[in-house]
Amino acid sequence: GAVVSQHPSWVICKSGTSVKIECRSLDFQATTMFWYRQFPKQSLMLMATSNEGSKATYEQGVEKDKFLINHASLTLSTLTVTSAHPEDSSFYICSAREGLAGVNEQFFGPGTRLTVL
Amino acid sequence: AQSVTQPDIHITVSEGASLELRCNYSYGATPYLFWYVQSPGQGLQLLLKYFSGDTLVQGIKGFEAEFKRSQSSFNLRKPSVHWSDAAEYFCAVGAYGNKLVFGAGTILRVKS
Repeated sequence: GAVVSQHPSWVICKSGTSVKIECRSLDFQATTMFWYRQFPKQSLMLMATSNEGSKATYEQGVEKDKFLINHASLTLSTLTVTSAHPEDSSFYICSAREGLAGVNEQFFGPGTRLTVL
Repeated sequence: AQSVTQPDIHITVSEGASLELRCNYSYGATPYLFWYVQSPGQGLQLLLKYFSGDTLVQGIKGFEAEFKRSQSSFNLRKPSVHWSDAAEYFCAVGAYGNKLVFGAGTILRVKS
């Protein structure tokens, strides 16, 4: 149980285009989903927290107009990187939290590698 | 604010040898602590977690960790390392809003 999927697993796009990444909880209802960014050989940095039906809460320094997050259902959250540029190239990981889960407990997706040319 | 320090960026151990990965945290109250493992290009898998109770926590794949409040530590151990354990290991502490704060990670290399 507690499986989280991401799609696509990798994507290459041209500079200036937008890319959408999906995060799905497959066997539980995720009241909260988190989006992280991981640069090579670095740790995970939390970008934003999204609660189903609410606007996402972004961490300091994260451009909310650049990284659009939608959590329209209890099993799906999307991250759209708008007008992507090479510096947006990174590994994006989502995690999901079940409503009754233990405090701070999150289940992670496999990640999406974004390369912007 | 919560923070996590993993002082070792890389560790190399021989297959069959014991392993200890260090983690120190900074948190005002009783922390919720986690260890995750990440294989290259993959997401994170939970190895074990500490919320309360017994300070020695058993996890998957033969890993264990010990919470020591006096040292603000939550070190990960394994008595005998297998080549398949080579990966990156992250310690994390729970923060307000069910968030996680991660350490910088420790890359484990296993030599045969």
